[in-house]
Amino acid sequence: DAKTTQPPSMDCAEGRAANLPCNHSTISGNEYVYWYRQIHSQGPQYIIHGLKNNETNEMASLIITEDRKSSTLILPHATLRDTAVYYCIVSTGANNLFFGTGTRLTVIP
Amino acid sequence: GAGVSQSPRYKVAKRGQDVALRCDPISGHVSLFWYQQALGQGPEFLTYFQNEAQLDKSGLPSDRFFAERPEGSVSTLKIQRTQQEDSAVYLCASSLLVRKTNSPLHFGNGTRLTVT
Repeated sequence: DAKTTQPPSMDCAEGRAANLPCNHSTISGNEYVYWYRQIHSQGPQYIIHGLKNNETNEMASLIITEDRKSSTLILPHATLRDTAVYYCIVSTGANNLFFGTGTRLTVIP
Repeated sequence: GAGVSQSPRYKVAKRGQDVALRCDPISGHVSLFWYQQALGQGPEFLTYFQNEAQLDKSGLPSDRFFAERPEGSVSTLKIQRTQQEDSAVYLCASSLLVRKTNSPLHFGNGTRLTVT
């Protein structure tokens, strides 16, 4: 499976949008982009996934570039409870995941 | 409904002891995974079950690690003769469908193993 590159850490002001970038320049045509997050002392939590089109659910939006070499996870109104490590993963299936080290997002009051 | 449940939440073992970690997946979930997470790192795959069949154990670090899911529901990860490098959080995840589909993984909160 393709590897991803994420910034190790980011800060975001409470109430503002958090935009988390991910590069996956070697992604292949049948690989999806998945996002999970891990709040301290908890297991990872599924957020969203997509193939080509942008996706939105109750938690976040996923914007994938036309060439699919990068994507951005958007939390529209970050709260303190969104402080977590966010993992961007590319994989042919949701059950075949390589997590990497992710981006530590800190939401600041 | 209930999520994935893991027990114990914390386990301290002396080097050389055997430990058994339990995972209760979401009822009806076909797939079950074990991951190991070292401090400051992302989870790393250990092994995968589809119902009672262990289809992938490529991530198990040594033959001291053994996992089973005899009736296709509850799973146990056993570590024999624990060593300090086994200290980590062990995460269990389940999924409704088989591997290589888009059914999301549901994780438990893990067992933190400390080997002294």
